[in-house]
Amino acid sequence: GAVVSQHPSWVICKSGTSVKIECRSLDFQATTMFWYRQFPKQSLMLMATSNEGSKATYEQGVEKDKFLINHASLTLSTLTVTSAHPEDSSFYICSVRDWSVGQYFGPGTRLTVT
Amino acid sequence: GENVEQHPSTLSVQEGDSAVIKCTYSDSASNYFPWYKQELGKRPQLIIDIRSNVGEKKDQRIAVTLNKTAKHFSLHITETQPEDSAVYFCAASINTGNQFYFGTGTSLTVIP
Repeated sequence: GAVVSQHPSWVICKSGTSVKIECRSLDFQATTMFWYRQFPKQSLMLMATSNEGSKATYEQGVEKDKFLINHASLTLSTLTVTSAHPEDSSFYICSVRDWSVGQYFGPGTRLTVT
Repeated sequence: GENVEQHPSTLSVQEGDSAVIKCTYSDSASNYFPWYKQELGKRPQLIIDIRSNVGEKKDQRIAVTLNKTAKHFSLHITETQPEDSAVYFCAASINTGNQFYFGTGTSLTVIP
């Protein structure tokens, strides 16, 4: 299966600053990556679908100007949380898809906004 | 869009007993149903999946059943062990490569 990494694994930032999270597909060229958010003791909620070379598709209720997604290559997608606030504190997980076997998740990034 | 419901939200069983988690879905076009196990602070790990052309699939102590007519599928874990303790998520998707719609999760505790 695909090997997916995320960086950083955890980050603490101050309110009002921006944070960039990287998702890398290490052994697989991913035309599509997904970004999920997971609050404590809750399920994974799809935020957006990241398509290589084109604009991301955001789920209803997700602010595209706040959560900037860039999928510039087949192995890298980035999620930037702009002007972060404490309510943005969450576990962010990316995944890459393979049409034949499904999705592979990254290890996640825990964001804490103080 | 797809709506996936999962029950129960918490489940405690004695070691060695069986555990059953049930999910329902709303979109009849969904044809791929994976189950994930997630330990605290870690990524979800695929443990078993089933496609709509199959009614049941088994892998050692884990099995999944699917009823397309009723739009529900279930995870069965037999001979539970303490290391089975985790949160389990079901999901539904149209084909394997599209976005997953996850259930709300079941926190399973296996009591030694």
